[in-house]
Amino acid sequence: DAMVIQNPRYQVTQFGKPVTLSCSQTLNHNVMYWYQQKSSQAPKLLFHYYDKDFNNEADTPDNFQSRRPNTSFCFLDIRSPGLGDAAMYLCATKRLVSDTQYFGPGTRLTVL
Amino acid sequence: ELKVEQNPLFLSMQEGKNYTIYCNYSTTSDRLYWYRQDPGKSLESLFVLLSNGAVKQEGRLMASLDTKARLSTLHITAAVHDLSATYFCASAPLNSGYALNFGKGTSLLVTP
Repeated sequence: DAMVIQNPRYQVTQFGKPVTLSCSQTLNHNVMYWYQQKSSQAPKLLFHYYDKDFNNEADTPDNFQSRRPNTSFCFLDIRSPGLGDAAMYLCATKRLVSDTQYFGPGTRLTVL
Repeated sequence: ELKVEQNPLFLSMQEGKNYTIYCNYSTTSDRLYWYRQDPGKSLESLFVLLSNGAVKQEGRLMASLDTKARLSTLHITAAVHDLSATYFCASAPLNSGYALNFGKGTSLLVTP
């Protein structure tokens, strides 16, 4: 059974055209994370939510925004994608008192 | 600055051989994670190490943690081709909401 679901799995957008990636979870976890992973690099944290409390990493570009309308869903909005934003975007969830982060399958973003 | 350093970054080994991947971290953290990633895929949790001296084993992989030395190891015993993947270690500092701070990954290739 899928636990962390990301849609779409592949997204192609044009330079400067806004795009939204979605993540949903069936685990009822408090904490949700968005990571960016560029080719052959380690995943890099963009944001995380503890319930509705939003935490932005200091070096996350302003071009990236996030929304969490309820426990189950979290969105990543890229307002004006550049070529350098092409990457795999990984969503992860965790119960606050648990130790394991569960990753979704990722969305691979291509910017033309 | 938070740092997680893995070595080696690339490892080619023959089937049946043993080898160890090292992970040094600079943060004060007693939580250390190992993940596996296959090409184009998401991250699969392998081990969560929560205390000094923790040792966990699954099949041909064994992970250990020395929090005093800020060192974790992932030991591979009698490697098989199916173990070919990229292995990431990650620390989870408390003050980051347990968001994962990843090393650069070790790309492992097991050859006949």
